[in-house]
Amino acid sequence: NAGVTQTPKFRILKIGQSMTLQCAQDMNHNYMYWYRQDPGMGLKLIYYSVGAGITDKGEVPNGYNVSRSTTEDFPLRLELAAPSQTSVYFCASRSGTPNEKLFFGSGTQLSVL
Amino acid sequence: AQSVTQLGSHVSVSEGALVLLRCNYSSSVPPYLFWYVQYPNQGLQLLLKYTTGATLVKGINGFEAEFKKSETSFHLTKPSAHMSDAAEYFCSLIGEGGYQKVTFGIGTKLQVIP
Repeated sequence: NAGVTQTPKFRILKIGQSMTLQCAQDMNHNYMYWYRQDPGMGLKLIYYSVGAGITDKGEVPNGYNVSRSTTEDFPLRLELAAPSQTSVYFCASRSGTPNEKLFFGSGTQLSVL
Repeated sequence: AQSVTQLGSHVSVSEGALVLLRCNYSSSVPPYLFWYVQYPNQGLQLLLKYTTGATLVKGINGFEAEFKKSETSFHLTKPSAHMSDAAEYFCSLIGEGGYQKVTFGIGTKLQVIP
């Protein structure tokens, strides 16, 4: 059981470039989330999805886009990368039951220079 | 909107001393509360969770937390700190918005001094 798989682990982008962070889970979870983690700021929710074809904005969605065409995959797209998007990004998933924990990927460290 | 407040972004304790990490929450619906731990360069792992029922919750590695509705708190404790407890700890909440969003506090970095 792989759990939540994120790729790539590290990436350096130039200002204005675009990229997609990949996230896949094999637990048949309906709920998936993208967070960014900045030092001293905790985890901020970027986007989330409660099922295939359904996505919604979190606290800090500007500069990002998502899609959810399948239950398994939830890619995060960065358009026109900016230095403010330098961060560690975590994908997570859970079942729809409220008392169930989040399962986290190992993270993507992104630098925009 | 629901929120989580962790008091103290950095906490230092001596090895063998009591660990107390504070978490207060705000939610307009009955919350589900969680504590996660993050070791360097890793994702978050669940320590313990409160759902319903018993308000004192025991987790892994000797940690426990008590849900106090009247104080809107869910503080994390461990009687005796170990060097391996050095990590960052996050309190989180599932509640408003149909129990869809998961909100995190800013985290508390625990340093254990030998």
